[in-house]
Amino acid sequence: KQEVTQIPAALSVPEGENLVLNCSFTDSAIYNLQWFRQDPGKGLTSLLLIQSSQREQTSGRLNASLDKSSGRSTLYIAASQPGDSATYLCAVNTGGFKTIFGAGTRLFVKA
Amino acid sequence: DARVTQTPRHKVTEMGQEVTMRCQPILGHNTVFWYRQTMMQGLELLAYFRNRAPLDDSGMPKDRFSAEMPDATLATLKIQPSEPRDSAVYFCASGLVRDGQTGTEAFFGQGTRLTVV
Repeated sequence: KQEVTQIPAALSVPEGENLVLNCSFTDSAIYNLQWFRQDPGKGLTSLLLIQSSQREQTSGRLNASLDKSSGRSTLYIAASQPGDSATYLCAVNTGGFKTIFGAGTRLFVKA
Repeated sequence: DARVTQTPRHKVTEMGQEVTMRCQPILGHNTVFWYRQTMMQGLELLAYFRNRAPLDDSGMPKDRFSAEMPDATLATLKIQPSEPRDSAVYFCASGLVRDGQTGTEAFFGQGTRLTVV
């Protein structure tokens, strides 16, 4: 059974810092991995999608990497801003259309 | 712009009442997912459809929950009778799965916040 773990559960950093969010999964047989952002009381916004054949994806200040063999993905946020404050969720698509979510990392960027 | 639309956004109902949540997937998407989010359990997959056919609803309590797609533009999730433990945010997501693929990028709606008192 696929399990997805995200650490840390919460993170508070000063504005301008570069930071790394971690996601690990137990079964390396994945179809893709998606990083989402969720603001309080809102839906999920897709940030980056990495197919199983890819190693990383970049969008603006965000970079996500995938190492299937070790069951890990990282989301790197450069030059963090207060507007980046949100919960970041990692989701693994195991094929058969099932997507398993981690519990998320709550990020707070202080001005 | 293309987005998944869910209605209602908020619903408060009394225990025992029927609740119906609706979802309009992104036009052209052929896969629809229903998720439930709670503080304790996080995001749980309840059911998903491809080309309007239910593929897996093993995550859904069968005795009171039902999910359907009457047509390609509407998915419904119904709870009857509702219970306080059903209080959660219910998300619908859609995606486009091409032949030969077994996964997709999921696009989420804003959710329906359900409170059962």
